[in-house]
Amino acid sequence: GNSVTQMEGPVTLSEEAFLTINCTYTATGYPSLFWYVQYPGEGLQLLLKATKADDKGSNKGFEATYRKETTSFHLEKGSVQVSDSAVYFCALSDVTNTGNQFYFGTGTSLTVIP
Amino acid sequence: DTGVSQNPRHKITKRGQNVTFRCDPISEHNRLYWYRQTLGQGPEFLTYFQNEAQLEKSRLLSDRFSAERPKGSFSTLEIQRTEQGDSAMYLCASSSETRDSWMDTQYFGPGTRLTVL
Repeated sequence: GNSVTQMEGPVTLSEEAFLTINCTYTATGYPSLFWYVQYPGEGLQLLLKATKADDKGSNKGFEATYRKETTSFHLEKGSVQVSDSAVYFCALSDVTNTGNQFYFGTGTSLTVIP
Repeated sequence: DTGVSQNPRHKITKRGQNVTFRCDPISEHNRLYWYRQTLGQGPEFLTYFQNEAQLEKSRLLSDRFSAERPKGSFSTLEIQRTEQGDSAMYLCASSSETRDSWMDTQYFGPGTRLTVL
């Protein structure tokens, strides 16, 4: 079956530190991979996505590369800011007979301190 | 376009009561999804509509849960005879089937937080 495993938090970093949040997946087909972010009090927002192997998704300084050989989609940012404090969810989208279904990881809470 | 909206944002009810939530998707999005999210967990898929047709239902969706999308626009999720275990955030998302891929992106609403006392 399909599943997503991401590193447990919470993660606390100082401003300008390097961020990595690990995500690995299990899929029966050829999924698309996503990172969603949830800021305090807000809904889930798409951060970035990659639809095939070796694709790199990027947005707001965040990057993630779709690695089929290691079934991973780790999220990275070179220099985090206080405003990046949020919960980050890794997700995969799999095609079914009638559409696509999403599978989410449990989320990783990030707190960036000044 | 104001995005996906959900009402109410918060609902407190007593065990055994019925509750109904509403989701208004992004206009022209033909797909609509319902998820449930509990504290410390990621969203769990509940059900999915393409236009007015309910095409998939998760095993998580007991017979106390029913969802409709009568005109292919807004959707309602009803929970009958609520239980304390139903307390969660209920999320709605919408998407549009792209011409070249099934792998469309889902856009989420802010959610309805249900508390069952």
